[in-house]
Amino acid sequence: SQQGEEDPQALSIQEGENATMNCSYKTSINNLQWYRQNSGRGLVHLILIRSNEREKHSGRLRVTLDTSKKSSSLLITASRAADTASYFCATGGGTSYGKLTFGQGTILTVHP
Amino acid sequence: DVKVTQSSRYLVKRTGEKVFLECVQDMDHENMFWYRQDPGLGLRLIYFSYDVKMKEKGDIPEGYSVSREKKERFSLILESASTNQTSMYLCASSLVNMGYNQPQHFGDGTRLSIL
Repeated sequence: SQQGEEDPQALSIQEGENATMNCSYKTSINNLQWYRQNSGRGLVHLILIRSNEREKHSGRLRVTLDTSKKSSSLLITASRAADTASYFCATGGGTSYGKLTFGQGTILTVHP
Repeated sequence: DVKVTQSSRYLVKRTGEKVFLECVQDMDHENMFWYRQDPGLGLRLIYFSYDVKMKEKGDIPEGYSVSREKKERFSLILESASTNQTSMYLCASSLVNMGYNQPQHFGDGTRLSIL
């Protein structure tokens, strides 16, 4: 069963603009992770935020988590054409041997 | 850097064949996972393993089995391939949980076509 649902399904922006992707989930979580997938490749881990954290930064990435609304957002600032990829959120319960539940992803296209 | 290697990038097989997909990781990770990825459906977990010879069913185990005889290697087996198993298959590994899920490291995937 799918836990996370990303919104929007697709996003098209110009280089230099900010990109915001949202993720909603249904059950309580221990942590939430964001991954990136370039076309035809595997997923690459971007950032992890624990349930007791509200915001986290990594370079041009900013992730927020609102456990009361069961939602998270990923902001990519000053986007580049190389940021073009699919982005997935994944939720973990902290147990179950590391099992994550992935959403369906947001396809981001950044035009030069 | 962690490296997860899947044996084939592209594979074409016929219905009814027994198909083996191999995955090897080089970082001594305890957990290993097999997913399939289909357009509009995202990643769905087929099986995972938390130790040698240990395996657990994921969300869609029907038609698949797995084998983990060594810590670094996790194999996915399609017992009798069918056309609805045409998909992208992704292998991943992670360290054991330390109060929260560790990031998963993915291979580049095997695009499997069943004719």
